[in-house]
Amino acid sequence: AQSVAQPEDQVNVAEGNPLTVKCTYSVSGNPYLFWYVQYPNRGLQFLLKYITGDNLVKGSYGFEAEFNKSQTSFHLKKPSALVSDSALYFCAVRAPTGGFKTIFGAGTRLFVKA
Amino acid sequence: DGGITQSPKYLFRKEGQNVTLSCEQNLNHDAMYWYRQDPGQGLRLIYYSQIVNDFQKGDIAEGYSVSREKKESFPLTVTSAQKNPTAFYLCASSRTANTGELFFGEGSRLTVL
Repeated sequence: AQSVAQPEDQVNVAEGNPLTVKCTYSVSGNPYLFWYVQYPNRGLQFLLKYITGDNLVKGSYGFEAEFNKSQTSFHLKKPSALVSDSALYFCAVRAPTGGFKTIFGAGTRLFVKA
Repeated sequence: DGGITQSPKYLFRKEGQNVTLSCEQNLNHDAMYWYRQDPGQGLRLIYYSQIVNDFQKGDIAEGYSVSREKKESFPLTVTSAQKNPTAFYLCASSRTANTGELFFGEGSRLTVL
C-alpha cells in the first residue's frame, strides 16, 4: 500500500538559515511526488513535483526538493528561510497503480523566527 | 481567473441534518476530488471522479455522497450517517486522473452543533 511519512510534526528555523522538511514514501512502481503548502484556513497550494528526470526539482518561492530513490525520500529545502515561509507543508505521492490516488503525509508545521 | 470555488466557507449544522458542500471548477479539468482534513491527520480522500457521471469511493466514504452530473461541478453531501462530520473539507481537481498536481479550493469548514 502507498504511504507517506513526514517524521517531524514541527520544524523551527531562524530567518536566513537553510531549512529542510523531510519526507519518505512507500509505493509500488515509479512514484509521482509532490509538495504543497497550506496557510491558515486556506486550501493547499502546489509548490513542486517530481515525475522523472533530474533528481533535484526546483519549484515556487525558492523551494527545491531532492528525490532519492535508494532512500525513498523527497525532502523539501530552501537555502534561506523567510518569516513568510511559516506554514503547514504536505508531502504527497501518487502511484501509477492504485487508481492514481494522491496520498498525503500528516504535514509538517514550519516556524521561521525573525 | 481560472480556479476552484467552494461554498460555503463556514457551515454550521445540527445533528441529524444533511448538508451539501458546493465545488465548482472552471479549469476544464477531468478529475475532481474531495478530501477531509483533521488536525494532525493530513488529508484523507473521501470520493473522487475521473470523468463526468462516474465516481469512486476513497478511503473514508462512509456517511458521504457525491454526484458528477457536469464536468464543472462535484458537490459533496455530508449525511446524518457521518458520525463525526466536524472537519475542514477540501475540493481539488487535476487535468486528468493520472497526471499532474492537484489544484485546491479554499475549503469549507463544517461544524456540527
